[in-house]
Amino acid sequence: KQEVTQIPAALSVPEGENLVLNCSFTDSAIYNLQWFRQDPGKGLTSLLLIQSSQREQTSGRLNASLDKSSGRSTLYIAASQPGDSATYLCAVKEGGATNKLIFGTGTLLAVQP
Amino acid sequence: GAVVSQHPSWVICKSGTSVKIECRSLDFQATTMFWYRQFPKQSLMLMATSNEGSKATYEQGVEKDKFLINHASLTLSTLTVTSAHPEDSSFYICSATLAGGQAEQYFGPGTRLTVT
Repeated sequence: KQEVTQIPAALSVPEGENLVLNCSFTDSAIYNLQWFRQDPGKGLTSLLLIQSSQREQTSGRLNASLDKSSGRSTLYIAASQPGDSATYLCAVKEGGATNKLIFGTGTLLAVQP
Repeated sequence: GAVVSQHPSWVICKSGTSVKIECRSLDFQATTMFWYRQFPKQSLMLMATSNEGSKATYEQGVEKDKFLINHASLTLSTLTVTSAHPEDSSFYICSATLAGGQAEQYFGPGTRLTVT
């Protein structure tokens, strides 16, 4: 059974700092991995999607990497801003035709001004 | 494009009553829709997968008679929580895909259910 874990559970950094969020999964037979942002009481905003054949994806100040063989992904946020404060979730899509997303436990990020 | 809406955004109901939550794909036809629930400070847990015109597939441990899912059209799926109890209070989020297989899921804004 696929399990997705995120470390740390919570992180507080001063504005301007670069930071890394970690995501690990137990079954490497994934189709893709996706990073989401969730603001309090809100739905999900997709940030980056990495296909299983890819190593990384970049969007603005965000860079996500994927090492499928070791079951790890990282989300790098450069020059953090208070507006980046949110919960970040990673999710892996299982292989096959199920289209199921298995979500990680989340990292609550607070960027202090 | 690929916008998913949910209605209502929040609802309060009394214990024992039923409440219906709608999930709509606004600008695309969704062959498959998914329902998740999220407890405070926890991650999303998949409840069920629904395909248009067929019965939903429920995840292990989810009571299908309590959480009724209907996907009658390509743009609308509904989740009805029957005989709601306070422990059903949660944040319910739906997602929709353009097609089956490995298509990307687009998420709705969620519905906060509080059962008193």
